[in-house]
Amino acid sequence: QVHLVQSGAEVKKPGASVKVSCKASGYTFTTYPIHWVRQAPGHRLEWMGWINAADGNRRSSQNLQGRLTITADTSATTAYMELSSLTSEDTAVYYCARKLQGSHPLDYWGQGTLVTVSS
Amino acid sequence: QPVLTQTPSASASLGASVTLTCTLSSDYSNYKVDWYQQRPGKGPRFVMRVGAGGIVGSKGDGIPDRFSVSGSGLNRDLTIKNVQEEDESDYHCGADHGTGGDIVWVFGGGTKLTVL
Repeated sequence: QVHLVQSGAEVKKPGASVKVSCKASGYTFTTYPIHWVRQAPGHRLEWMGWINAADGNRRSSQNLQGRLTITADTSATTAYMELSSLTSEDTAVYYCARKLQGSHPLDYWGQGTLVTVSS
Repeated sequence: QPVLTQTPSASASLGASVTLTCTLSSDYSNYKVDWYQQRPGKGPRFVMRVGAGGIVGSKGDGIPDRFSVSGSGLNRDLTIKNVQEEDESDYHCGADHGTGGDIVWVFGGGTKLTVL
């Protein structure tokens, strides 16, 4: 049974960084790249980026480039999303999701991690 | 990249049918769209993918037969028959754009379905 289990809620001050983990189980971790998606209150889902743990290839959305770092530890079957220079606009629920390479859906998602940025 | 438009809210009586629509921006009529169900406090759950000709691939795990999709022109519809209380959720549509390593994702604004 496929599971993506994310780390717990975080509260950060403006200017700080946050790192969220996504532990995968129930499938071969390196077969499915991991994507990160966030949803700010009252806003639509926003795609952030992805990583292919099989070869380390990754991509970030243009508006987050320079602040977003996505990594993966294949031995721990865990992906990580680190976002730096946080502002209140980064307050959101962050989700990881898996997807086969090519044009396929995001077929399994994590439960979400609430990140609150507040002074 | 495409823009996906959804009606913010919809309602249906218990046992009735409801159709939710995701409209692609012009010039993207050949795009497929994925539907996701999001219950309160939970992560999204893949429902199914739809193109202009209807369902593409398989439904998500555990999605009941009551859920179906259709496509026409710029619209990609999700229909729920015999609506049940557990169908009360936010429904998002999403689409990938680009090829290979340059794929990005866009999402609609979501439709909140209320079961009366």
